[in-house]
Amino acid sequence: DTAVSQTPKYLVTQMGNDKSIKCEQNLGHDTMYWYKQDSKKFLKIMFSYNNKELIINETVPNRFSPKSPDKAHLNLHINSLELGDSAVYFCASSPGYQETQYFGPGTRLLVL
Amino acid sequence: KQEVTQIPAALSVPEGENLVLNCSFTDSAIYNLQWFRQDPGKGLTSLLLIQSSQREQTSGRLNASLDKSSGRSTLYIAASQPGDSATYLCAVERAGNMLTFGGGTRLMVKP
Repeated sequence: DTAVSQTPKYLVTQMGNDKSIKCEQNLGHDTMYWYKQDSKKFLKIMFSYNNKELIINETVPNRFSPKSPDKAHLNLHINSLELGDSAVYFCASSPGYQETQYFGPGTRLLVL
Repeated sequence: KQEVTQIPAALSVPEGENLVLNCSFTDSAIYNLQWFRQDPGKGLTSLLLIQSSQREQTSGRLNASLDKSSGRSTLYIAASQPGDSATYLCAVERAGNMLTFGGGTRLMVKP
């Protein structure tokens, strides 16, 4: 199936740990994104990444870092996890800027 | 700073009704506006994308309009069905390829 996929689907971890969430798209898109959806269901952009150009939402702590080994992957690394990081994280991709974005199923992160 | 507001926050209608969801945004300097659907526990599905130069887009029973100057968009759903029950999100794209989302409208269509 052509899609945006994320692993893991669920992630439960302790405060202070470092974790990664993987994202892969097989749509041949040039642009990928990470979003955070908090407990109140508000979705906020964290990063957009296009051809090695990274655009960061200024509100994102520097404990969060995206890493792209190739055009089809944009992984999210989180250092020193905090309780407030608990949320659903969505990866998305689009052919380019200002085009329809396609979302992955989400990764539910719970920090204890 | 761009702010996106959706009204109503929740809506419950009987099957067959036509309905309108509203979205407003504070900064008219947008590239486009997108409507998404989110089912419980799932990701987002894109419904319609309206470029800033367009006034409306249609897909099946869905019609979305955009009035950029007044900062408003509406999503019209004709002949609603129980399968339309979901949360509907609007988002505006601004500089830096960033989408700013509204809080969503939770729609329930009762059989």
